[in-house]
Amino acid sequence: DAKTTQPNSMESNEEEPVHLPCNHSTISGTDYIHWYRQLPSQGPEYVIHGLTSNVNNRMASLAIAEDRKSSTLILHRATLRDAAVYYCILRDGDSSYKLIFGSGTRLLVRP
Amino acid sequence: GAVVSQHPSRVICKSGTSVKIECRSLDFQATTMFWYRQFPKQSLMLMATSNEGSKATYEQGVEKDKFLINHASLTLSTLTVTSAHPEDSSFYICSASTGTVFNYGYTFGSGTRLTVV
Repeated sequence: DAKTTQPNSMESNEEEPVHLPCNHSTISGTDYIHWYRQLPSQGPEYVIHGLTSNVNNRMASLAIAEDRKSSTLILHRATLRDAAVYYCILRDGDSSYKLIFGSGTRLLVRP
Repeated sequence: GAVVSQHPSRVICKSGTSVKIECRSLDFQATTMFWYRQFPKQSLMLMATSNEGSKATYEQGVEKDKFLINHASLTLSTLTVTSAHPEDSSFYICSASTGTVFNYGYTFGSGTRLTVV
C-alpha cells in the first residue's frame, strides 16, 4: 500500500487559513488522494478527495502537486469545530478499494 | 447525503460473552463495507472488508473466528466479537463505499465503544 507522511500536529488561530501538508512519494497513477477528519469519539468524516487536479468543496480545498507526490488540504477559515485529527489517505490502487489510515495530523485551533 | 448507522454506540459486556455490532447504510446500497478498530490515541486499523453475499476478507493478524462478519444484505453488515476479553475493548467503526469505481467516497458510522469487563 502506498503510504502517506503527515506532521503529528499543527496549530492555528481561529478564522485564519490552515494548510495541512501530506507527502505521498510512492503514489501510483490510479491512486486517489482522500482526506478525512475525526473528532473525538466519532467516526471519521469525509472532507475531500482528488486525483490530479485541485478540488474545492464547501468544507475545504485540495491542492495537488504537479508530480502528485504531495498534497495540501486547505481550510480557508479555521473554526473551533475544525479541531480534529486529519488523515491523508491514498485509496488503494488495486480493486480492493480499501482505505488504510496513517497516523494523521492533530489540528489544534486557538480561539 | 449517504448515511451509515452503527448500533449500539456503547456496549459493556462480561468477559467470555459475544457482542454483535450492526452497520446499516440508510439511503444507499453498499456492496462493500469495511470494519475498523481503534485503540485510544491510535489511528484506525482496518480489520476486514465485508462483501455482500460472500465471505469477508480479513487483514493479516485479525482472527476471523473471533471477529465474525456477516453481510447478508446490501444495507446491513454485522460484526460479532465472540468470547470477548478485556483486550478486545476498543472503538469499532464501520464504513461503506458509495459512488463509481473511480470516484469512491466513503461514509463512516459513528462507532461503537466496546468495554469488556
